[in-house]
Amino acid sequence: GENVEQHPSTLSVQEGDSAVIKCTYSDSASNYFPWYKQELGKRPQLIIDIRSNVGEKKDQRIAVTLNKTAKHFSLHITETQPEDSAVYFCAANSPRDTGRRALTFGSGTRLQVQP
Amino acid sequence: GAVVSQHPSRVICKSGTSVKIECRSLDFQATTMFWYRQFPKKSLMLMATSNEGSKATYEQGVEKDKFLINHASLTLSTLTVTSAHPEDSSFYICSAARDTSYEQYFGPGTRLTVT
Repeated sequence: GENVEQHPSTLSVQEGDSAVIKCTYSDSASNYFPWYKQELGKRPQLIIDIRSNVGEKKDQRIAVTLNKTAKHFSLHITETQPEDSAVYFCAANSPRDTGRRALTFGSGTRLQVQP
Repeated sequence: GAVVSQHPSRVICKSGTSVKIECRSLDFQATTMFWYRQFPKKSLMLMATSNEGSKATYEQGVEKDKFLINHASLTLSTLTVTSAHPEDSSFYICSAARDTSYEQYFGPGTRLTVT
């Protein structure tokens, strides 16, 4: 099955700086890579996703890049704000499993934006 | 929109009793729903994939007789924790997916405490 590794586990940046979180995956058949933001005690919220036919996607201050050859994808947050502080999870799907669209999640990155 | 509700949000039960958690897609039909378990400061671990009208697919290590899943309609899936024990205490989150999309929409989660 799919294995997703995420780094770093914690990240502290100054307000206004950029933050980068990286993930690698093992299944070359994976073709959907979402990123979720989870605040304490709340549900994960999808913030951006990318399909395998695209190398980069941007939405305002958030961007995701995908390198299919190396099997890694990254989340980039620019001009960070204190409200960006949360735990961020990357994930990848498992299309090899017939009928399954389950996601395998990375271990999470706790981002702290210092004002 | 794509709204998923979960009920109850919190439940405390005694060892040996059973607890039912409901997951509903409020404004779309979800052919597939997923059940995750999340320990404090940890990632989301997929427990099972629930397909409407058929048996759930459980992940390795998840006891199907302990975690009963029923997906009787396109808007409702239930997870019943049978004969609960303190080690079953956790945050249980469901997600729902449309038939035509990879995107998963998460419920708000249920915090189960077994005393």
